[in-house]
Amino acid sequence: GENVEQHPSTLSVQEGDSAVIKCTYSDSASNYFPWYKQELGKRPQLIIDIRSNVGEKKDQRIAVTLNKTAKHFSLHITETQPEDSAVYFCAASRGGTSYGKLTFGQGTILTVHP
Amino acid sequence: GAGVSQSPRYKVAKRGQDVALRCDPISGHVSLFWYQQALGQGPEFLTYFQNEAQLDKSGLPSDRFFAERPEGSVSTLKIQRTQQEDSAVYLCASSLALGLAGVHEQYFGPGTRLTVT
Repeated sequence: GENVEQHPSTLSVQEGDSAVIKCTYSDSASNYFPWYKQELGKRPQLIIDIRSNVGEKKDQRIAVTLNKTAKHFSLHITETQPEDSAVYFCAASRGGTSYGKLTFGQGTILTVHP
Repeated sequence: GAGVSQSPRYKVAKRGQDVALRCDPISGHVSLFWYQQALGQGPEFLTYFQNEAQLDKSGLPSDRFFAERPEGSVSTLKIQRTQQEDSAVYLCASSLALGLAGVHEQYFGPGTRLTVT
């Protein structure tokens, strides 16, 4: 089955700096890669996603890049703010007999210091 | 509109008790997933429903875990004879059906935190 590795496990930045989180996946058939933000005790919230027919996607301060050949994708947050502090999870999935179930990375605890 | 809701939000069970966790998906969402999230870990897949059909239960950790979605809307995850290792947050997610566009976004509920003492 699919395996997703996520790095780093913790990331500490100053407000205004950029943050980058990287993930690798093992199943070359995976074609959908979402990123979730989870605050303590809250539900995972979808912040951005990318499909395998696209190499990059941007939404305001957040961008995701995908390298299908190397089987890795990254989350980029620019101009970080204290409210960006949370746990971020990457995930991978595909349709067919996997029905779109998500395989998650281990998570990155992002702390943005004012 | 209303998002995915789950109840109860917190459940404390004594070892050996049975528990039932409820999920109300977003109206019109055909696909429903259950995940288990251990402390400090990412969610792990348990089972998948398309309408009322349970098409994948490969992630259920033992035969003590059972899920149903009899009318294709509300789903219940039942755990029999709970053990301490069952302590976790149980998350439900729903999405539109798989289509020609491929996989659709999944929207999560707030989860049920189960503590087995």
